[in-house]
Formats: sequence, structure tokens, C-alpha cells
Amino acid sequence: AQRVTQPEKLLSVFKGAPVELKCNYSYSGSPELFWYVQYSRQRLQLLLRHISRESIKGFTADLNKGETSFHLKKPFAQEEDSAMYYCALSENSGYSTLTFGKGTMLLVSP
Amino acid sequence: DAGVTQSPTHLIKTRGQQVTLRCSPISGHKSVSWYQQVLGQGPQFIFQYYEKEERGRGNFPDRFSARQFPNYSSELNVNALLLGDSALYLCASSGAGTGNYGYTFGSGTRLTVV
Repeated sequence: AQRVTQPEKLLSVFKGAPVELKCNYSYSGSPELFWYVQYSRQRLQLLLRHISRESIKGFTADLNKGETSFHLKKPFAQEEDSAMYYCALSENSGYSTLTFGKGTMLLVSP
Repeated sequence: DAGVTQSPTHLIKTRGQQVTLRCSPISGHKSVSWYQQVLGQGPQFIFQYYEKEERGRGNFPDRFSARQFPNYSSELNVNALLLGDSALYLCASSGAGTGNYGYTFGSGTRLTVV
């Protein structure tokens, strides 16, 4: 069965500090990995997906198949980055669904 | 584009009652999925529909059912409500037949069972 683990419930950093939100997954095949973000009082929204190899709002994530990880990183945190972050996995096939981790709350203090 | 819309936004029901939640996907999206998000947890998959057919079902009891209409809108029904059904119910639509392009989520329906 597929599983997504986010080991930290809360990550608190100061503005300008580097950020790394950890995500490990368990899946026998070749998955698609995503990061979703939920800002206060807003809907869940896609931040980035590994197939795009993009950088959104300064965040990047690299899929490490050897370590089965997909950690989210940003070199300099901003206060507006404070939000709930969810790592998610889907099968690389048709009609795939998302399996989410429990989420990590990122708090960036001034 | 109105995005994914869900109704109602909030709902209070009594144990044993039945509830129907509604979702309208983004125009042109044919895939709709439902997720349950209990406080402190990530969203958990309930159902996926594509072209009005059920394509996937999560580990939920038969009290949960859903359907998709010809206009691709969807309803989630929950019978014999339990206190543990209290959660945020999210609807998501996708423009492709797969989830590989990432889903767009609605704001959710907050269901409270008392």
C-alpha cells in the first residue's frame, strides 16, 4: 500500500532562514509526487509537482528514488510562506488518486 | 472561471441523519474526486468519478456513496451519520483523465455531526 510520511507536525523558523519540509513515501511503482499548500482561510492548492521540475515561490523539491523522499526546500523563508504543507503521491497511471501525508505547519517568524 | 465550487459551506447534522454534499468542477473538467479531511490529518480519498463512472473508491463504509451527473457535477451522500463523520469534505476536479496534472480543490464543506 502506498503511504506518505511527513515526520514534522510543525516547523518554526525565522525570516531569511533556510527551510526544508521532509516527505518520505512508500510505493512499489513509479509515483508522481506533489506538494500542496493551504494558507490560512484559503483552499488547498497545488504548489509544485516533481514532473515539472519547476520552482514556485522560491520552493523546489527533488525526487530521490533511492531514499524515497521528496523534500521541499527554500533557501530564504518569508513570513508569507507560513502555511500548512501537504506532500502527496499518485500512481503514474490513469485515473490515479492522491495519497496525502498528515501535513507540516510552517511558521515563519519576523 | 469560477473554479471548483462546493455547497453548502457548512452543515450541522444529528447522528443517524443523512447528508448530501454537492460539487461543481471547473468547466471542462471531467474527473471529480472526493476527499475527507479530519482535523489534524491530511485529506483522505473517498471516491473518484470520470465520465460519470466510478473509477476508484477509498476505504470508507458503504454508508458513503456518490454519483456524477451528465454535466460532470457530483454529489456525495453519507447515510446514518456518525460523530466520526465530522470533517471537512473536499471536492477536486482534474482536467485530464489522470491525476498526473494535479487536482484543483474546492473550499470544502464543513460537516459537523452532533
